[in-house]
Amino acid sequence: GAVVSQHPSWVICKSGTSVKIECRSLDFQATTMFWYRQFPKQSLMLMATSNEGSKATYEQGVEKDKFLINHASLTLSTLTVTSAHPEDSSFYICSARESQGRSEQYFGPGTRLTVT
Amino acid sequence: QKEVEQNSGPLSVPEGAIASLNCTYSDRGSQSFFWYRQYSGKSPELIMSIYSNGDKEDGRFTAQLNKASQYVSLLIRDSQPSDSATYLCAVYLSGGYNKLIFGAGTRLAVHP
Repeated sequence: GAVVSQHPSWVICKSGTSVKIECRSLDFQATTMFWYRQFPKQSLMLMATSNEGSKATYEQGVEKDKFLINHASLTLSTLTVTSAHPEDSSFYICSARESQGRSEQYFGPGTRLTVT
Repeated sequence: QKEVEQNSGPLSVPEGAIASLNCTYSDRGSQSFFWYRQYSGKSPELIMSIYSNGDKEDGRFTAQLNKASQYVSLLIRDSQPSDSATYLCAVYLSGGYNKLIFGAGTRLAVHP
């Protein structure tokens, strides 16, 4: 149980284009999903928290107009990196929490983004 | 500032030994604590959760929690080379935050 998938697992795009990453909870309903970014040999950095049907809450320093998050259903959240630049190249990982009463988070396998 | 502190390592142990990983946290109100394992290039995997003071055992893993000292640890018995990974300590912040705060992780290397 508690399986989270992400698609794509890796993507290469040109500078200035947009990339959408999907995160799905496969066997549970996720009231809350989280998006993280991790640079090589660095720790996880929380970018934003999204609750189904409401606007995402972004961490300080994360540009909400650049990283668009949509949590349209209890099993799907998407992260769109708009006008990507080489410095956006990173490992993007989503995680999901089953309900407000639970605190465990389960991570997806991650998406490696390379912007050329 | 809510913080979770871990020794970055690397912690090097011989195969078959006990690996001891430690974590301290700053928020006295935290009630839920987790250990994640992250292999290089992969995403974190939840391996242990603990909510009450004392020990919790699951196979070769034992999590220990001391809320008075704000201290969480993970023991790995009979360490195997496949245990070599970065171990992340996470603390759940309630009270309006409703999110996990992660330590930077301890890199464990188990050598044959």
